[in-house]
Amino acid sequence: GAVVSQHPSWVICKSGTSVKIECRSLDFQATTMFWYRQFPKQSLMLMATSNEGSKATYEQGVEKDKFLINHASLTLSTLTVTSAHPEDSSFYICSARADRYTEAFFGQGTRLTVV
Amino acid sequence: RKEVEQDPGPFNVPEGATVAFNCTYSNSASQSFFWYRQDCRKEPKLLMSVYSSGNEDGRFTAQLNRASQYISLLIRDSKLSDSATYLCVVNWGFSGGTSYGKLTFGQGTILTVHP
Repeated sequence: GAVVSQHPSWVICKSGTSVKIECRSLDFQATTMFWYRQFPKQSLMLMATSNEGSKATYEQGVEKDKFLINHASLTLSTLTVTSAHPEDSSFYICSARADRYTEAFFGQGTRLTVV
Repeated sequence: RKEVEQDPGPFNVPEGATVAFNCTYSNSASQSFFWYRQDCRKEPKLLMSVYSSGNEDGRFTAQLNRASQYISLLIRDSKLSDSATYLCVVNWGFSGGTSYGKLTFGQGTILTVHP
């Protein structure tokens, strides 16, 4: 299947700092990228959807000023967790797909721990 | 009502058993459907797409019933390596001619295959 690379795979940061997570589609052009968060023993919760070149659409309850999403090109989207707090500690996963009918491919995920 | 609903299980079955998972979705405008599997602390990986006519891939068979808004996954001759969480995924939310559409995940069904 297609390859989506997410970086970093894990990060530990101090409370109050910002963390940037990158998601790249390596062998296809991703018109849409999704960002999810997953807490232990829970399913993936969609945070936002971004289409290349336009503003991200955030799900209800997700603060757009805290979780900044940029989808500047067809192969790269970034999620920046600003002013991170311990409750932001989670597993963040991106996914990308070429068009609206096809399956999405996932990055390896980023395990964020805020101390 | 949840947008995508699955029986969380867990299902504990012996090797060689046949096991079936069910999934219902609430949005009748949903366009495409998938089954993903997620291993512990890993990203989801596509298992198979689900087509209206039903489709089979080796030991795995997927069915879709649009009238009942119901999707199923059947695993025959279970292997130890089939132990994972199985996620039902529904694609909906198209808006006119844009590529916007979002994947909604069920909460997942945990399968454990034992010797």
